[in-house]
Amino acid sequence: AQSVTQPDIHITVSEGASLELRCNYSYGATPYLFWYVQSPGQGLQLLLKYFSGDTLVQGIKGFEAEFKRSQSSFNLRKPSVHWSDAAEYFCAVDTGGFKTIFGAGTRLFVKA
Amino acid sequence: DVKVTQSSRYLVKRTGEKVFLECVQDMDHENMFWYRQDPGLGLRLIYFSYDVKMKEKGDIPEGYSVSREKKERFSLILESASTNQTSMYLCASSLGSGQGAYGYTFGSGTRLTVV
Repeated sequence: AQSVTQPDIHITVSEGASLELRCNYSYGATPYLFWYVQSPGQGLQLLLKYFSGDTLVQGIKGFEAEFKRSQSSFNLRKPSVHWSDAAEYFCAVDTGGFKTIFGAGTRLFVKA
Repeated sequence: DVKVTQSSRYLVKRTGEKVFLECVQDMDHENMFWYRQDPGLGLRLIYFSYDVKMKEKGDIPEGYSVSREKKERFSLILESASTNQTSMYLCASSLGSGQGAYGYTFGSGTRLTVV
């Protein structure tokens, strides 16, 4: 069955430190891959997407993600975290046909 | 930028009431979606629509219905609200077939409490 796994329920990093949020998916072919961010009490905002081509994709707010086919992973990274990055992050997979599978989310805490 | 507007941020309704959640998008997006978000359960698709007057059930349609009379507006209806429908409701829209290469644009959400 198709699935998206975000192994970390929550992560705490210091402001200025680097960040990597993990995402693994289970799907027979290469899906469309997305990362969204949700600030408290808000809807989700699209950070970046991958559907073909260069496996390193750049997004908004200084985020990037790398697609690794051999590992079925699409990890999100940021070289230097800001306090305003504290939020919940969702990885999502679109396998076609209007059905998108969201991961359970990873909540990021940023400490001063 | 595409904007998706949900009419209410917070809503409190009584058990048994008929509840309407409204969603409007200001671009020419064909597809619109309703999700509910609950702690520990993530986002679950209730209904979606790929064209005016067209609708399809998602993963948890029971107790809900939808209406799409105009392209820009997609309404979620709780026929008889129950306490287990207390949740955050998120509307989203997208351009093209499925999410495809475009991704979703989400509204800010409606937090519904049924008492």
